[in-house]
Amino acid sequence: GAGVSQSPRYKVAKRGQDVALRCDPISGHVSLFWYQQALGQGPEFLTYFQNEAQLDKSGLPSDRFFAERPEGSVSTLKIQRTQQEDSAVYLCASSLERFRGHPNSPLHFGNGTRLTVT
Amino acid sequence: GIQVEQSPPDLILQEGANSTLRCNFSDSVNNLQWFHQNPWGQLINLFYIPSGTKQNGRLSATTVATERYSLLYISSSQTTDSGVYFCAGRDPNDYKLSFGAGTTVTVRA
Repeated sequence: GAGVSQSPRYKVAKRGQDVALRCDPISGHVSLFWYQQALGQGPEFLTYFQNEAQLDKSGLPSDRFFAERPEGSVSTLKIQRTQQEDSAVYLCASSLERFRGHPNSPLHFGNGTRLTVT
Repeated sequence: GIQVEQSPPDLILQEGANSTLRCNFSDSVNNLQWFHQNPWGQLINLFYIPSGTKQNGRLSATTVATERYSLLYISSSQTTDSGVYFCAGRDPNDYKLSFGAGTTVTVRA
């Protein structure tokens, strides 16, 4: 079956431009996560959705970052007025089960979007 | 949040060698996973192993939840095993999976 799909695979933006990154989770997966991975580091949590509800956005680095999942399936991460420090790989992951008080299941990651801000 | 410490940070192996990677957690975790990130950046699930031992081909993993660590064993390493290995765990009262800094494995022919 299809895995987590992310697009675009690569994105080059000039400083100050807005960008939108898309994530198609595995069909039927309730939980969706966004992570940011800087070069040479482990992925860092950005935000978590349970269906369409954004239950945790504590990892978003600034108010320039915004994520949505309006119908509980596809999600978009938007970065406004991009800065050079936003250059990173943005990873999306989905998981079958809910978290917090419900049975857990593994996260499945997409291939990521490599964002370069010039 | 949970702190995840991985060791060693770098590992250079000769093809055919065995190795052990370690992951320590600062507190109890569940949803513990091991991943391999290949040179193209793809994060591949290796094991979902909150406790116990699992094996998949030349790879196996053991988690001792009560002592807050997990081990990943690579046997008869091959050049295709090269890449960065991450472990990650979740605080039972939190949503996010917290990652370690990774172990970079280089297998030489």
